[in-house]
Amino acid sequence: TQLLEQSPQFLSIQEGENLTVYCNSSSVFSSLQWYRQEPGEGPVLLVTVVTGGEVKKLKRLTFQFGDARKDSSLHITAAQTGDTGLYLCAGLPSGTYKYIFGTGTRLKVLA
Amino acid sequence: DTEVTQTPKHLVMGMTNKKSLKCEQHMGHRAMYWYKQKAKKPPELMFVYSYEKLSINESVPSRFSPECPNSSLLNLHLHALQPEDSALYLCASSYDGLAGITGELFFGEGSRLTVL
Repeated sequence: TQLLEQSPQFLSIQEGENLTVYCNSSSVFSSLQWYRQEPGEGPVLLVTVVTGGEVKKLKRLTFQFGDARKDSSLHITAAQTGDTGLYLCAGLPSGTYKYIFGTGTRLKVLA
Repeated sequence: DTEVTQTPKHLVMGMTNKKSLKCEQHMGHRAMYWYKQKAKKPPELMFVYSYEKLSINESVPSRFSPECPNSSLLNLHLHALQPEDSALYLCASSYDGLAGITGELFFGEGSRLTVL
C-alpha cells in the first residue's frame, strides 16, 4: 500500500512566524501536488511539482520536491491568518490515475 | 472556465431514499473522480472514469453507483445508504491527454451528505 505521511498533523502558530510541512513516502511519484482545503469546501490546488529537486515559489509559499521524487515540503514565510486550513499533499504514481493523498496537516494561524 | 460544479451542496436523505449527486466540468478533462471525505480526514478515492469508462472502483459498496453520461458529466447514484455514509463527497477532474496523465486534480466544492 502506498502511503504519504504528512508532519506535523497539527500546527498552531502566531501570525508572522515561519513553518514547514513535510510529506514523505517510500514510493516514487511522477508528480506531486499540494492543496489547501477550508472547512466544507473542496481542496484547492496550490502547486504541482514534477521534477526531482524542483523548487517552486508562490508568494510566501515555497514548495520543494525531493531529488528521488519520494518526498516534498511546503514552507510558509511570515504566516497570515488567511493561511489557516488543511494542507494536503497528493502524489500520482507513474502511469496511474490513482492519486494518493497525504494524511493532512491542519494549520491554525493566530492573530 | 476552470470550475468543477457539484450539485446539490447539501443533501439529507433517509436510508430508504434514492438520490443522486451531480458533477459537471467544461475544461475538456477526460478523467473524472469521486472522492469521499470524512471530517478531519483526507479524501478517499471511490471511482475513476477515464474517457467515460469506469477504470477504477475502490471496492465501493454497490449502494453507490457511478455513471458518466458524457465527458462533461459525472453522477453518483445513492440508494439504501447507511448513517456512516454521511460525508463530504467530492468530484474532481484531470486532463488525460493521449501522451499521458498530467498531475493536477481540480475539485468541486463538494456535496455534504447526511444520512438519517
